[in-house]
Amino acid sequence: DAGITQSPRHKVTETGTPVTLRCHQTENHRYMYWYRQDPGHGLRLIHYSYGVKDTDKGEVSDGYSVSRSKTEDFLLTLESATSSQTSVYFCAIRGEDYGYTFGSGTRLTVV
Amino acid sequence: GENVEQHPSTLSVQEGDSAVIKCTYSDSASNYFPWYKQELGKRPQLIIDIRSNVGEKKDQRIAVTLNKTAKHFSLHITETQPEDSAVYFCAASARGDSSYKLIFGSGTRLLVRP
Repeated sequence: DAGITQSPRHKVTETGTPVTLRCHQTENHRYMYWYRQDPGHGLRLIHYSYGVKDTDKGEVSDGYSVSRSKTEDFLLTLESATSSQTSVYFCAIRGEDYGYTFGSGTRLTVV
Repeated sequence: GENVEQHPSTLSVQEGDSAVIKCTYSDSASNYFPWYKQELGKRPQLIIDIRSNVGEKKDQRIAVTLNKTAKHFSLHITETQPEDSAVYFCAASARGDSSYKLIFGSGTRLLVRP
């Protein structure tokens, strides 16, 4: 489809458990991003990557970590999930023309 | 850092009328301004973008205008159709920022009434 897939699509987890979301691209793009989407807040940047093992924090990085061991995979980990992290998470890749392509999203519910 | 404000948060128009969504940004170094459309339950998709060396850009029924002096940009949709109903997001990114990260507005829910 768009060359970017996210897994899982839906997840329910308990407070205090670790959770890892996966973003996989087939476009060989250098830049990858994780955003969260909440009503009234639009899309807020959590972390981004500008190459293998090169990552940096975004606007709302507390409670999240990321890893990128291969160009095609960008993982987002919630170290100890809290109810405030219930959200829809979108991964994005940046194309050569600056435009982003988003994945289909992961709906995470922390109970 | 960059801050993007978007208005209105909701907009309801009659089919065939025009719709205008406005955004302001804070960082004068920003030079890339895309607009995304998100249908219910779907991913955001790029519909049009503009760079700071251009004042206006059109693509069929949609257009974007940019006023760098006032630090605001707008999305114009003419002859609206029911399929234009969606949430629209503006964003800004600075050329000097090597991360190319986009900062998004909070979104506008557009409803086109048949």
